[in-house]
Amino acid sequence: DTEVTQTPKHLVMGMTNKKSLKCEQHMGHRAMYWYKQKAKKPPELMFVYSYEKLSINESVPSRFSPECPNSSLLNLHLHALQPEDSALYLCASSQGQAYRQGNEQFFGPGTRLTVL
Amino acid sequence: KQEVTQIPAALSVPEGENLVLNCSFTDSAIYNLQWFRQDHGKGLTSLLLIQSSQREQTSGRLNASLDKSSGRSTLYIAASQPGDSATYLCAVSWGIDSNYQLIWGAGTKLIIKP
Repeated sequence: DTEVTQTPKHLVMGMTNKKSLKCEQHMGHRAMYWYKQKAKKPPELMFVYSYEKLSINESVPSRFSPECPNSSLLNLHLHALQPEDSALYLCASSQGQAYRQGNEQFFGPGTRLTVL
Repeated sequence: KQEVTQIPAALSVPEGENLVLNCSFTDSAIYNLQWFRQDHGKGLTSLLLIQSSQREQTSGRLNASLDKSSGRSTLYIAASQPGDSATYLCAVSWGIDSNYQLIWGAGTKLIIKP
C-alpha cells in the first residue's frame, strides 16, 4: 500500500471556526509533512514530523497547529484562519528520519480549504 | 543556495508526439531528484525518483535523466496522450550538513491536444 489519504477533500470555514485536517499512511513511514500550495505555485513546506516529533516548523503562524498522535496519523488543527489561508493543503510521508536521508516523498490528494 | 528552474512554463503539443520537459538546478550537490505530476486542483503523484548516483530512470512511456555536473534533468514522454495533460513538477533533495529539504521548480503545464 503506497497510499497517503487525507480527509476531508474539501473544507469551507469561517474565520472564527475551529477545524482539523487529517492525514494517514500505512507504509511504515516515520517522517510526515504538511505543505501548503497556492494556485499555480509549487508546494511550500509548513511542518515536518520525524518519529512523531516535530522537527521543522517553517515559521508558520500559530493559527495552524500540527499534531502527530502516532506514526500513521498526522493532523493539522485550524483556528481563526484568514481568507489568505485558502489553499490546497498537502500531506506527505517518507521512510526514515525526515531530511536526514533525502528519501522519496509520497503525497496525499490534498484538502482544498476555503476560508470565508 | 539551491534554485530549481523549469522550462518551458507551459507546453501544448498534438497527441502522439514525443516531448521533453526540462529541469535545471544551480547546486549539483543533490541527494536525489523527483518528478511529480499534478492534475488540476489535485494532489501530487510521484512519477520517477533518480538518486544522485544514477543517470536515468524509466517507467512505461516516461524516462527521466540526470546530469549532475551540468545541473540538468529531463523528463521524456513518449507517444503523448491527452491523459498526460497535467502540470509536471521537479524537486531536488538538497541540504547542508545532511539536513535535506525539497527545493521545487515552478512546474511545466502540459496540454496534449487530441
